[in-house]
Amino acid sequence: GQNIDQPTEMTATEGAIVQINCTYQTSGFNGLFWYQQHAGEAPTFLSYNVLDGLEEKGRFSSFLSRSKGYSYLLLKELQMKDSASYLCAVLDSNYQLIWGAGTKLIIKP
Amino acid sequence: IAGITQAPTSQILAAGRRMTLRCTQDMRHNAMYWYRQDLGLGLRLIHYSNTAGTTGKGEVPDGYSVSRANTDDFPLTLASAVPSQTSVYFCASSDSENTGELFFGEGSRLTVL
Repeated sequence: GQNIDQPTEMTATEGAIVQINCTYQTSGFNGLFWYQQHAGEAPTFLSYNVLDGLEEKGRFSSFLSRSKGYSYLLLKELQMKDSASYLCAVLDSNYQLIWGAGTKLIIKP
Repeated sequence: IAGITQAPTSQILAAGRRMTLRCTQDMRHNAMYWYRQDLGLGLRLIHYSNTAGTTGKGEVPDGYSVSRANTDDFPLTLASAVPSQTSVYFCASSDSENTGELFFGEGSRLTVL
């Protein structure tokens, strides 16, 4: 079966750095995606990795290792508005998106 | 720019009633999707459409139907609602079926009693 694992909840301090991990086992791989979802709102696209390595976009970076079936989302200089759920998703060989359950990130002052 | 509009935003429905959730996009995207989101679970695909006139079943299609008469509209119908269909429903679109970059509507919260 296809599976995506990410921690249920994480807590971090304003101004700090946090790394949210995602491991996956899917039928094929056509890219890994991170989405941000604030409580009561729609998911919004954050980043996309298809090749191994780090993709940086401002305060957010995403890393991929296809051989390990592993990705992480790195958030720097945390702000209170970063409190949200972060969803990891993989596009499989049939171009179906497989979603993790999401990681709820709580930022404390 | 509206993007994707869903209606209603929330609805309480008696079991056995028929309900249609509406979804309209103005981005001229070819692909559209309906997901449900339940606490502790990932987004689960109900139905999808890769282009106007075609639809397909996702992971959890039972009890739901869709149509795609034109590019912009993709309604989801619950023929006879049951309490297990209580959920938040998200409509999404993408410019092609081969991408994971989706644009989501604001969601429809449905409670079936």
